[in-house]
Amino acid sequence: TQLLEQSPQFLSIQEGENLTVYCNSSSVFSSLQWYRQEPGEGPVLLVTVVTGGEVKKLKRLTFQFGDARKDSSLHITAAQPGDTGLYLCAGARTGTASKLTFGTGTRLQVTL
Amino acid sequence: KAGVTQTPRYLIKTRGQQVTLSCSPISGHRSVSWYQQTPGQGLQFLFEYFSETQRNKGNFPGRFSGRQFSNSRSEMNVSTLELGDSALYLCASSTGPAKRLFFGSGTQLSVL
Repeated sequence: TQLLEQSPQFLSIQEGENLTVYCNSSSVFSSLQWYRQEPGEGPVLLVTVVTGGEVKKLKRLTFQFGDARKDSSLHITAAQPGDTGLYLCAGARTGTASKLTFGTGTRLQVTL
Repeated sequence: KAGVTQTPRYLIKTRGQQVTLSCSPISGHRSVSWYQQTPGQGLQFLFEYFSETQRNKGNFPGRFSGRQFSNSRSEMNVSTLELGDSALYLCASSTGPAKRLFFGSGTQLSVL
């Protein structure tokens, strides 16, 4: 059972466009993380959100944690080819924070 | 500081064989987690070790096992390999439970 559903599954856009990736669950998580994974590499942590309603910004990336701590979104402004990769959300529960439940993933391709 | 090192990088085995994968964490990290990544199931948690003790275990059959040594290096073993075990096996280390995970580049296992 996949507890974290991401949408869209695939996204192909041109440089300069904006996009939003969604991560939804019916379960509550104590924190939610976003990772980016490039071919041949392991996932790299982008951000961790822990409070319902929290918004964090990382340059052109904006992350939001839902009020009920069941969902999250990642918004990229003015996408660049360097943003290309597999974006993964991952939820952690209290007491088992290292046992992450990963989302289904969103594969993003940004072309010139 | 060197990152998480996983060996071997690629591995080809046949059904019924067993395999051992190795993970050297970042120096000073005492917690090691293992994940399986497949196109169909995404990233799934296998187990977590801290100070040579298994702290958490995912929903995998007993054919999957692991251990951690006193120097924090970890190995995972898969016995009686099945075709469905073909996957990218990722190791992640952290300074301790519930701390930020740093992933290695993984071992790509192909079972023929």
